[in-house]
Amino acid sequence: QITLKESGPTLVKPTQTLALTCTFSGFSLSASGVGVGWIRQPPGKALEWLAIIYWDDEKRYSPSLKSRLTITKDTSKNQVVLTMTNMDPVDTATYYCAHRRGGGIFDYWARGTLVTVSS
Amino acid sequence: SYVLTQPPSVSVAPGQTARITCGGNNIGRKSVQWYQQRPGQAPVLVVYDDIDRPSGIPERFSGSNSGNTATLTISRVEAGDEADYYCQVWDSSSDHVYVFGSGTKVTVL
Repeated sequence: QITLKESGPTLVKPTQTLALTCTFSGFSLSASGVGVGWIRQPPGKALEWLAIIYWDDEKRYSPSLKSRLTITKDTSKNQVVLTMTNMDPVDTATYYCAHRRGGGIFDYWARGTLVTVSS
Repeated sequence: SYVLTQPPSVSVAPGQTARITCGGNNIGRKSVQWYQQRPGQAPVLVVYDDIDRPSGIPERFSGSNSGNTATLTISRVEAGDEADYYCQVWDSSSDHVYVFGSGTKVTVL
């Protein structure tokens, strides 16, 4: 079955760069149509899509955060890495990675990791 | 950018029907997904492509989409349905972005 899990720091300081890794199993990121996306959720607020990387290495970013985000994949390790530069306290949120099947559907989600930005 | 609008809250008595709307410009031309998020948990897909249910999701959950409004309907509401619900679309016409709605808190009275 498909599973995903995020890993990375739980606390970062303002202006630092955040790097989160999504390690997955049960699917191949080489399969046509497949993608892995990142979504975040500030405490008590709504979901916000951040970025996605597709099987063919195409990448898409949220227009409002595009300048700060980079998404990469390592197919051999079944991992996707999201980096976000210049972190600010407003970036405090639970960060999720999710499997995207064809058609823009996120059908499997990881449990999420809470990242706090504070000095 | 494309915006999805949901009511902040919906209250329903057990056994009754809850309807959650998701408004967007010509949303009927897009495929809509719905996610359920219980407190402290990750979102779970409950409806995709407007009307389809993943395996394991009860038939009580159904979706529709037309014009400027998509709707998630929960029939015979149970206490376990109390959660936040989010609609989502893939705006393939504009930078291929994914958009989530503002979320609706369903309270079972």
